[in-house]
Amino acid sequence: QSVLTQPPSASGTPGQRVTISCSGSSSNIGSNTVNWYQQLPGAAPKLLIYNNDQRPSGVPDRFSGSKSGTSASLAISGLQSEDEADYYCAAWDDSLNGRFVFGTGTKVTVL
Amino acid sequence: EVQLVESGGGLVQPGGSLRLSCAASGFTFSSYSMNWVRQAPGKGLEWVSYIGISSSTIYSADSVKGRFTISRDNARNSLYLQMNSLRPEDTAVYYCTRASESYSGIDYWGQGTLVTVSS
Repeated sequence: QSVLTQPPSASGTPGQRVTISCSGSSSNIGSNTVNWYQQLPGAAPKLLIYNNDQRPSGVPDRFSGSKSGTSASLAISGLQSEDEADYYCAAWDDSLNGRFVFGTGTKVTVL
Repeated sequence: EVQLVESGGGLVQPGGSLRLSCAASGFTFSSYSMNWVRQAPGKGLEWVSYIGISSSTIYSADSVKGRFTISRDNARNSLYLQMNSLRPEDTAVYYCTRASESYSGIDYWGQGTLVTVSS
């Protein structure tokens, strides 16, 4: 059912930089802003990035987002053990009377 | 502090019905659109339904259209999801979420309530 495609997994050692991609289409990422959510094990998702590249207060600046055309990316710089979680991109989709779509999710493992 | 507290989940047989509720606090509920999002065990996130501020705008995922109905009561600061004709594939944690008023997306999530559809 997911319309946005993400790699299933990503990993890195503490201190490394990890990048997660999110591929969509002209009806979602191409025409709307992208948000990213972090889901720690056993917890509800939490907003990490909004409006493509904005961080809510309290989110460390090692998390950054970007968007180009119909794709978006989330980067985690200076990876820390507490960053081990599932990450989802999301965007509004203008097709079929409107719907909100999530990415397939990426599991980040800190080695 | 924004709080969204879901209730009403549980075990139900296929073909049965269930009504989820979400109690909102810490913000002016009547000023925000709301959504339900679900997550099947071990799976990703799936948007279920959206309702606008005055309930005049409602969107639902194709997978639940005709079976699930989202509604709200601004006087009670509450969001609801009436689920009928439940199927095993509806088994999931259901999250009540708030739509941001300043950008396109969800900004707050509840802790979720588990719905299990099984005989």
